[in-house]
Amino acid sequence: DQQVKQNSPSLSVQEGRISILNCDYTNSMFDYFLWYKKYPAEGPTFLISISSIKDKNEDGRFTVFLNKSAKHLSLHIVPSQPGDSAVYFCAASAFSSGYALNFGKGTSLLVTP
Amino acid sequence: NAGVMQNPRHLVRRRGQEARLRCSPMKGHSHVYWYRQLPEEGLKFMVYLQKENIIDESGMPKERFSAEFPKEGPSILRIQQVVRGDSAAYFCASSKNGLLAGQSSYNEQFFGPGTRLTVL
Repeated sequence: DQQVKQNSPSLSVQEGRISILNCDYTNSMFDYFLWYKKYPAEGPTFLISISSIKDKNEDGRFTVFLNKSAKHLSLHIVPSQPGDSAVYFCAASAFSSGYALNFGKGTSLLVTP
Repeated sequence: NAGVMQNPRHLVRRRGQEARLRCSPMKGHSHVYWYRQLPEEGLKFMVYLQKENIIDESGMPKERFSAEFPKEGPSILRIQQVVRGDSAAYFCASSKNGLLAGQSSYNEQFFGPGTRLTVL
């Protein structure tokens, strides 16, 4: 029962262009959303988060957009850099479940020079 | 300023043996979460602990798996009588705040490097 879905397993973008990673969720109780970046053989690294009371949060080159009515969020990286190449996981949590994170399966981003 | 530490990084066990995975949270963090990642899958929540308390173990298999977070020392995830299907990467995360803290602010979870368990 996958409550968080990342339908694109991989994405390739040219350096300097925008990377857009998408995520959909099914549980309307989710009220907090996070993006993590993961390199092989390492743990996920927290990137950026957004609560359900907002529709946008920006941190440097990273912006997360939340569309609650569509149960959809996206991560924008601009400009993309080769060092951004990694697997990106979308995660969601609900206050009612004590902040246990529900993860998508990840999108592998490749930024080419 | 050490992050979340996990050991061992790699663990090999034969079927029927016990596996013990350790996690030391970040300094100042009193909430620990364990996740498991099977090949080609995302991370799946297993258990959420605060010092000396299991808060939510809804993701833990009913048998063979147990977790603790004692007053002193690391959190431990214990798998008894391991089977091949237990082979996975096990990640620990910690956070400063949590449900029982009564905080209305949200908590970011910071992950350790993981323990890769291989069952032969």
